[in-house]
Amino acid sequence: GAVVSQHPSWVICKSGTSVKIECRSLDFQATTMFWYRQFPKQSLMLMATSNEGSKATYEQGVEKDKFLINHASLTLSTLTVTSAHPEDSSFYICSAELAGSTDTQYFGPGTRLTVL
Amino acid sequence: AQSVAQPEDQVNVAEGNPLTVKCTYSVSGNPYLFWYVQYPNRGLQFLLKYITGDNLVKGSYGFEAEFNKSQTSFHLKKPSALVSDSALYFCAVSFNKFYFGSGTKLNVKP
Repeated sequence: GAVVSQHPSWVICKSGTSVKIECRSLDFQATTMFWYRQFPKQSLMLMATSNEGSKATYEQGVEKDKFLINHASLTLSTLTVTSAHPEDSSFYICSAELAGSTDTQYFGPGTRLTVL
Repeated sequence: AQSVAQPEDQVNVAEGNPLTVKCTYSVSGNPYLFWYVQYPNRGLQFLLKYITGDNLVKGSYGFEAEFNKSQTSFHLKKPSALVSDSALYFCAVSFNKFYFGSGTKLNVKP
């Protein structure tokens, strides 16, 4: 149980285009999902907290207009990288928190974004 | 401020030997502590967590961790390492949100 999927697993796009990454909780409902960014050989950096039916909460220094987050249902959150640039290339990982629980996050497999 | 420290960037151990991956934390209040493992180009897999109760927590794949309040540590241990345990290990503390350590690369050599 507690499986989280991400789609796509990797994506290559041209500079200036937008890319959407989906995060789904497959066998549980998640009122809260999180989006992280991980640079090579570094830890995870929390970008934003996504709450179902409300606006996402962004961490300091993360541009909300560049990284659009939508949490339309209890099993799906999307991250859209708008007008992507090479510096946005990274490994993006989502996690989901089991509804009613605040202590454990279940992570997706990650999405490798490469912007040319 | 909440923080997690993993003092070792890398740990090398021979297969069959015991392993320890160190983690110390700084939180206000009672911590929720976690260990996750990450294989190359993959997300994080949950290993174990400490919320309350017994200081020795047993988790997946034979791993365990000991919560030491006086030393504010939560070291990950395994009695006998496997080559397949080679991966990146993250310690984390949960306090409204997750704070991750910098990660420790575990190399288990045959």
